Amino acid sequence: GDSVTQMEGPVTLSEEAFLTINCTYTATGYPSLFWYVQYPGEGLQLLLKATKADDKGSNKGFEATYRKETTSFHLEKGSVQVSDSAVYFCALNTGTASKLTFGTGTRLQVTL
Amino acid sequence: GAGVSQSPSNKVTEKGKDVELRCDPISGHTALYWYRQSLGQGLEFLIYFQGNSAPDKSGLPSDRFSAERTGGSVSTLTIQRTQQEDSAVYLCASSIRGRSGTEAFFGQGTRLTVV
Repeated sequence: GDSVTQMEGPVTLSEEAFLTINCTYTATGYPSLFWYVQYPGEGLQLLLKATKADDKGSNKGFEATYRKETTSFHLEKGSVQVSDSAVYFCALNTGTASKLTFGTGTRLQVTL
Repeated sequence: GAGVSQSPSNKVTEKGKDVELRCDPISGHTALYWYRQSLGQGLEFLIYFQGNSAPDKSGLPSDRFSAERTGGSVSTLTIQRTQQEDSAVYLCASSIRGRSGTEAFFGQGTRLTVV
């Protein structure tokens, strides 16, 4: 079945550091890939998505590129801020399964 | 409302009692999902409704769990004879259609504590 594997957290960075959160997937068919973010005390919200190979999703300075050859969708940001502290979830869905399959989440803590 | 609404936001119940959790999806969204988020864990899929199709119940952990969606809108997740391991945050989400690539919008969740 479909699955998503994320790097374990927590990830602790200083402000303005470069961020990478790794995500790899296993899926039947051609999935769409997502990053969701959960800020403290808030619900999950979509951060970015990509629906086909080589697409790059981007939002709020975050980027992720759909790499079919490595089945990966790593999240990157060039310069993190304290306000980026949150839990980040990688997810996928396919036309056949429809439901979103999530990774376990990676907690990011950014300090001054 | 503008977003997915869940109630109650918090629920404390005694072991062995039944509980009902409610979800009001975004108007016009045909797909509705329930997930469970336990402390330190990811999101565990429970059940998925899409329009008038039979729901995908493949994630329900036991027959104590059931869900309904009435009139293609409001959904209720029922847990019978609650156990301590049922303590978690139960999340509901909806999307305009349950197809690959469509964004799911999440509610704030119901935090269930079984004592």
